[in-house]
Amino acid sequence: GDSVTQMEGPVTLSEEAFLTINCTYTATGYPSLFWYVQYPGEGLQLLLKATKADDKGSNKGFEATYRKETTSFHLEKGSVQVSDSAVYFCALSDSNYQLIWGAGTKLIIKP
Amino acid sequence: DTAVSQTPKYLVTQMGNDKSIKCEQNLGHDTMYWYKQDSKKFLKIMFSYNNKELIINETVPNRFSPKSPDKAHLNLHINSLELGDSAVYFCASSPYPTQRTEAFFGQGTRLTVV
Repeated sequence: GDSVTQMEGPVTLSEEAFLTINCTYTATGYPSLFWYVQYPGEGLQLLLKATKADDKGSNKGFEATYRKETTSFHLEKGSVQVSDSAVYFCALSDSNYQLIWGAGTKLIIKP
Repeated sequence: DTAVSQTPKYLVTQMGNDKSIKCEQNLGHDTMYWYKQDSKKFLKIMFSYNNKELIINETVPNRFSPKSPDKAHLNLHINSLELGDSAVYFCASSPYPTQRTEAFFGQGTRLTVV
């Protein structure tokens, strides 16, 4: 079946560092891809999405590009802030239109 | 206005009790979900309803029973609570599913069974 694999956390960075959180997927057909963020004590919020190959989703300085050839959707940010500390989830919408979730990656940003 | 709201936010109860968590969405969405998030933040879908009809029922104990009185509400009732039920439960909603559809989440209910 379809699946999503994220890099294990926690990922610990200093403020203003460059961030990459890896996400790869296996899917039949052409899924849509999503990144969600969960801040401490809160629910999940959509961060960005991409619906077809080579699309780039972006929001709040975060970007991810839908790479069909490498089945990847890596999340990047050029300069992280302490306020970016959260758990990040990669997900895909499968052929049955259900969301398949990665395990989540905890990001810790130190001042 | 809160788009997806759950009550209560925190629930502490003893083993063997029966409890309910309520969820309401004001987005006009057709589909609602219940997810369970464990202590390692892993998300597992439990149920999915579309227009009050059950469309996904993952392998969860039959002590868990969802109820959808209308398409804006999806409540979760849990009988005979066990220690292993302790987790954060999230309600979510989405428009009629298409591949471009994201889900909108509530704030979660942290259930602690003692």
